[in-house]
Amino acid sequence: GAGVSQSPSNKVTEKGKDVELRCDPISGHTALYWYRQSLGQGLEFLIYFQGNSAPDKSGLPSDRFSAERTGGSVSTLTIQRTQQEDSAVYLCASRGARVGQETQYFGPGTRLLVL
Amino acid sequence: KQEVTQIPAALSVPEGENLVLNCSFTDSAIYNLQWFRQDPGKGLTSLLLIQSSQREQTSGRLNASLDKSSGRSTLYIAASQPGDSATYLCAVRPEYNFNKFYFGSGTKLNVKP
Repeated sequence: GAGVSQSPSNKVTEKGKDVELRCDPISGHTALYWYRQSLGQGLEFLIYFQGNSAPDKSGLPSDRFSAERTGGSVSTLTIQRTQQEDSAVYLCASRGARVGQETQYFGPGTRLLVL
Repeated sequence: KQEVTQIPAALSVPEGENLVLNCSFTDSAIYNLQWFRQDPGKGLTSLLLIQSSQREQTSGRLNASLDKSSGRSTLYIAASQPGDSATYLCAVRPEYNFNKFYFGSGTKLNVKP
């Protein structure tokens, strides 16, 4: 079956512009995560969706960042008024909700460069 | 807040060597710990998951151990191969917040033919 997909794979934008990053999780996975990975760094948690519950937004670094998940499937991460420090790889992961489905499955990421 | 550290940051070994990657975490109240592999330009692939009640997990040439009380995990790779070259990351899931995973910054492994 298909894994987690993300688009675009690469995005170059100018400082101050808005960007939208998309994540298609594995079908049936109710949990979805967004992470940010800066050069040479570990993954920084951004936001978590679980089913119809309110998302855990505690990792979003500023109010310029927002995310939504429509219909419990596709998710979009939006960065408004991008800054150079937003340049990073943005990774999405999904996970099943049943006991024993602990493993996160990651997409290939979107490489964002803000000039 | 949980802090996860991986040492060394980079490691280069000749093919065939056995090697150990280290992961340490500051808060022992974890639900589980996972080891991932990341190839250049790719996402992460889960290698091994150890529940907090377990001491180790094995998959092929990989063995991961967990010492929860001392805040340490090791990933042992036997008979390394050039195809093992990648960045290896560990991640802990705290008991008090199932939503979050805390990642180390990884160990970049190069296995020379």
